[in-house]
Amino acid sequence: NAGVTQTPKFQVLKTGQSMTLQCAQDMNHEYMSWYRQDPGMGLRLIHYSVGAGITDQGEVPNGYNVSRSTTEDFPLRLLSAAPSQTSVYFCASTRQGHEQYFGPGTRLTVT
Amino acid sequence: AQTVTQSQPEMSVQEAETVTLSCTYDTSESNYYLFWYKQPPSRQMILVIRQEAYKQQNATENRFSVNFQKAAKSFSLKISDSQLGDTAMYFCAFMNGGGSEKLVFGKGTKLTVNP
Repeated sequence: NAGVTQTPKFQVLKTGQSMTLQCAQDMNHEYMSWYRQDPGMGLRLIHYSVGAGITDQGEVPNGYNVSRSTTEDFPLRLLSAAPSQTSVYFCASTRQGHEQYFGPGTRLTVT
Repeated sequence: AQTVTQSQPEMSVQEAETVTLSCTYDTSESNYYLFWYKQPPSRQMILVIRQEAYKQQNATENRFSVNFQKAAKSFSLKISDSQLGDTAMYFCAFMNGGGSEKLVFGKGTKLTVNP
């Protein structure tokens, strides 16, 4: 099992550009989430999904879109990048009542 | 809304000694889970230990154990026989048992193990 994979590992964007962060898991987990990590802030939930076709907002959803067309994939879209979105992004998956498995993270810089 | 507080931004310990990291949380729920995650410089998030709120017994994983005080809403992590590889950020996290599987994290404690 590859577990949770994320691409790319690093990305630099200019203000106003759009991009998609990819996340995939091969553990057949129904729950998937996106978090962002900023210095001194811990991890904060952006969006989450409880199954294919079902998504909901987390604590900091503004400026991000998600969709979940398959169990395996949960992409995160930045519609118009802003410097405030400079962060490290983590995707995670889990089964109900169990620990979350995290991907390796994507470091995004918006200039 | 649930909150998780880690009151120690940084701590240090000598190799082979014992250290305790503090975590408190606030919730009105009775069914929930608590976790400690480790984040080494590689950035990977690694589960250290998991506690189910309905279990009275404190969880233990090798050198790692917790002191879970449900009434006080406290969930501290004890690391025994500290090793250089334990140097990392440690995050305490709360998850409601309601089925959304959303984690709420504390801000983390940076632990340095000195030789």
